[in-house]
Amino acid sequence: EAQVTQNPRYLITVTGKKLTVTCSQNMNHEYMSWYRQDPGLGLRQIYYSMNVEVTDKGDVPEGYKVSRKEKRNFPLILESPSPNQTSLYFCASRERGGRHEQFFGPGTRLTVL
Amino acid sequence: GEDVEQSLFLSVREGDSSVINCTYTDSSSTYLYWYKQEPGAGLQLLTYIFSNMDMKQDQRLTVLLNKKDKHLSLRIADTQTGDSAIYFCAERGGERNQGGKLIFGQGTELSVKP
Repeated sequence: EAQVTQNPRYLITVTGKKLTVTCSQNMNHEYMSWYRQDPGLGLRQIYYSMNVEVTDKGDVPEGYKVSRKEKRNFPLILESPSPNQTSLYFCASRERGGRHEQFFGPGTRLTVL
Repeated sequence: GEDVEQSLFLSVREGDSSVINCTYTDSSSTYLYWYKQEPGAGLQLLTYIFSNMDMKQDQRLTVLLNKKDKHLSLRIADTQTGDSAIYFCAERGGERNQGGKLIFGQGTELSVKP
C-alpha cells in the first residue's frame, strides 16, 4: 500500500530534550516536506527536500533541522524543543512536477512542556 | 507575499448544498487544491483544478475558479453528516517557487447538522 508513515504519532516531552520525528514514504517520491498545523493558521511548511541531500527552508524553519540521506526517509529534528513548538506535524511527499498529488502522513501530535 | 484566506466555520443542514470559499494572492499558481481533514486524521486530496480551467465537477463536488478575482470555491451537493470535516484550500506555485510548494488556507470547519 502506497503510504507516508510517521513516528511517533504522539509525543510529550520537556523543553530542551532533543527529539526526532521520523517520516518514510514507499512511493519513490523525490519531493518531501514537513508542515506544522496550528489552529487558525492552517498548515505552514517547515522544510522541504527536492531530492537526496537537497533540503531547503520553508516558511517557519526556526528551531528545526532535517536531513535527506535516503530517498524514502526525511526525519524532522528538534535539537532543543520549546513550548512554542507544541503543534501537529505532518510529513508529505509527491512526485516532482505536474499536478502530482501530495500525500500526507497521519500526523504527529507533539507537546513540549 | 503569498496568502490564502478562508472563513473558519460553516454550518449546514443535511441534504443542503455547502459552499466553501477561498481567496488567494499568487497569480502564478499552477494548481489549486481542496483537501479534507477528518478528526484525528491527516489530509486527503479531494479534488484539484488547473489554473487555466474555470470549473471542474466530480460527483457531488464542484470546483469553481475565478482567476481574475483569485477566488476558488468548493460546492458539495447533498451534504451528508460524513462530510463534516475541515476543508483546506491550497495553491501551488511553479517549480521555481520552492519546488512548487503548497500554500494552505486556515481551513474551514464544516459542520453538518441532521
